[in-house]
Amino acid sequence: EVQLVQSGAEVKKPGESLKISCKAFGYKFTNYYIGWVRQMPGRGLEWLGAISPGGSHTRYSPSVRGQVTISLDDSITTAYLQWTSLRASDTATFYCARHASGNVSDAFDLWGQGTLVTVSS
Amino acid sequence: DIVMTQSPDSLAVSLGERATINCKSSQNLSYYANDKDSLAWYQQKPGQPPRLLISWASARQSGVPDRFSGSGSGADFSLTISSLQAEDVAIYYCQQFYGAPFTFGHGTRLEIK
Repeated sequence: EVQLVQSGAEVKKPGESLKISCKAFGYKFTNYYIGWVRQMPGRGLEWLGAISPGGSHTRYSPSVRGQVTISLDDSITTAYLQWTSLRASDTATFYCARHASGNVSDAFDLWGQGTLVTVSS
Repeated sequence: DIVMTQSPDSLAVSLGERATINCKSSQNLSYYANDKDSLAWYQQKPGQPPRLLISWASARQSGVPDRFSGSGSGADFSLTISSLQAEDVAIYYCQQFYGAPFTFGHGTRLEIK
């Protein structure tokens, strides 16, 4: 089955680091960009960034550039979103999603189930 | 950044009636390479990830009921549900994928009247 499966919910303290994952199944991982989308509690969707097939190129929204890092490991068909120092304002559900073609300029046609990250002292 | 403005914020429609959601972008989304508009519509139900309904402004995804249709071009777009069903209750988002960051509208909540 074609799907993206994300890692489980996390509860962290401010200042801690975190890396969440998104594993792809059922399609050729190296043919598609993977993007990350944030949804703060009760709020809308925000595109955070994306990584190219093979991981050679990443793009970030100005709102999070320098605060998160997107990476991937082709050998295990997994993409990652990581923080070095979390803040309470990072509390949100994070979705990974596949850009529909080999081009980053395309809609998200496949979504992970979401990872809830709660940052609280 | 390209700003996406949806209207209305919420909408209540009777079962079987038509629902229309609008989306306006701050710049033209026509992609020169294929002469299509870089606009997508998503449906999100509570506790679920978004689901792609329409891409390139009017291309319905496989498995999406044909009561859903997308229209518009340039900077003005619409999503229409021709005959509202109970399972269509959700929040609907438009998104531009013309230029990064690929911004979303703030969402339209659709309910049954």
